[in-house]
Amino acid sequence: EIVLTQSPGTLSLSPGERATLSCRASQSVSSSYLAWYQHKAGQAPRVLIYDASNRATGVPDRFSGSGSGTDFTLTISRLEPEDSAVYSCQLCGYSPVFTFGPGTKVDIK
Amino acid sequence: EVKLVDSGGGLAKPGGSLRLSCAASGFIFSDAWMNWVRQAPGKGLEWVGRIKSNTDGETTDYAAPVKGRFIISRDDSKNTLFLQMNGLKSEDSAVYYCTTQSRYHLKYWGLGTLVTVSS
Repeated sequence: EIVLTQSPGTLSLSPGERATLSCRASQSVSSSYLAWYQHKAGQAPRVLIYDASNRATGVPDRFSGSGSGTDFTLTISRLEPEDSAVYSCQLCGYSPVFTFGPGTKVDIK
Repeated sequence: EVKLVDSGGGLAKPGGSLRLSCAASGFIFSDAWMNWVRQAPGKGLEWVGRIKSNTDGETTDYAAPVKGRFIISRDDSKNTLFLQMNGLKSEDSAVYYCTTQSRYHLKYWGLGTLVTVSS
């Protein structure tokens, strides 16, 4: 079973700053199978990035994804107050069918 | 507009059962591979299981913690997804979301329904 770890656990930044979130897989995976989600309390999770680097429809271009192999990154170039949320990476195509990382909480000061 | 409305959550006793529903609209439900994902209090997202479309055999897959206790089914005539949960345990307490699968990610999500397992 492939395990996803995310760091940091919490990120506290100011509006306009850059956020860099890491997702590491316990073994090399295909970039096609890696996605990122944003989850705000009381709302449905929302896919931001799929295939490691493709922005989902309607996602602002300040969100970008990169990486390959075991190391993947979600970057929020200029934080907005509404970006306060938990961000989770997800892997598909292995066992179990979908695996999620534990999440990174982003707090906007 | 795609809409997924989760319902059926509530309080159940350990060992009891609950049946969750997800009413779908705004897309061709019969073509969709559908998943259930849950989030326990203070925890991250956890995949529960999936059902493929009828044309792909309506085969199901489950996460290890729920295999043998949970059953996913669908009624394409009513655009509805179901999650039958039996032998409930306290660790099954969570918000349950139905989601659509698009290739290798989960594209559309419902707002979730809360399940609490407690005596």
